[in-house]
Amino acid sequence: RKEVEQDPGPFNVPEGATVAFNCTYSNSASQSFFWYRQDCRKEPKLLMSVYSSGNEDGRFTAQLNRASQYISLLIRDSKLSDSATYLCVCHSSASKIIFGSGTRLSIRP
Amino acid sequence: DTAVSQTPKYLVTQMGNDKSIKCEQNLGHDTMYWYKQDSKKFLKIMFSYNNKELIINETVPNRFSPKSPDKAHLNLHINSLELGDSAVYFCASSQGLAGLSYEQYFGPGTRLTVT
Repeated sequence: RKEVEQDPGPFNVPEGATVAFNCTYSNSASQSFFWYRQDCRKEPKLLMSVYSSGNEDGRFTAQLNRASQYISLLIRDSKLSDSATYLCVCHSSASKIIFGSGTRLSIRP
Repeated sequence: DTAVSQTPKYLVTQMGNDKSIKCEQNLGHDTMYWYKQDSKKFLKIMFSYNNKELIINETVPNRFSPKSPDKAHLNLHINSLELGDSAVYFCASSQGLAGLSYEQYFGPGTRLTVT
């Protein structure tokens, strides 16, 4: 089992839809969690950190469920420009940084 | 005013050659990283340096040797290149120690093709 797992997708949704995807992690010592966005042939860029209490940034909401060991990303009112690959990453106390393999999202007009 | 820069952007070379990739960050960050992203888009950490000290050294062949002359630079030297080394290599930096809650800033990547 991979330490960090994501559904590779692709998720193909219409503009304006709400889409959500999860990322599960196996190391219960994981302390910090982030969502990054990666466009085709570009570098990953931070989308948002994931806090224990959940956090929202505009149309994006990130949540952490420590009991079930997963983080989630919800995108409301999706835009064409949201089309990208979304990577989750988990940092553990052992100085391990593990990226998921990414979930591809495609927004259609 | 690029935050994290890498050179070269593209590198095509033959098997058996030795090559280097350079990385520089002007963010004043203490920690720098090298990642490899393979054809399946899986992003895997290779090394991490904090203030020129090696912090993370994942299981990579010893043909890969990072060098950090100062905390703003982390170069990657690869000896005896193999076909399987073909990938995109990303440099990144963060404010604090790897493993803590600091976001990473990535360079644009170096696309290495070994023929």
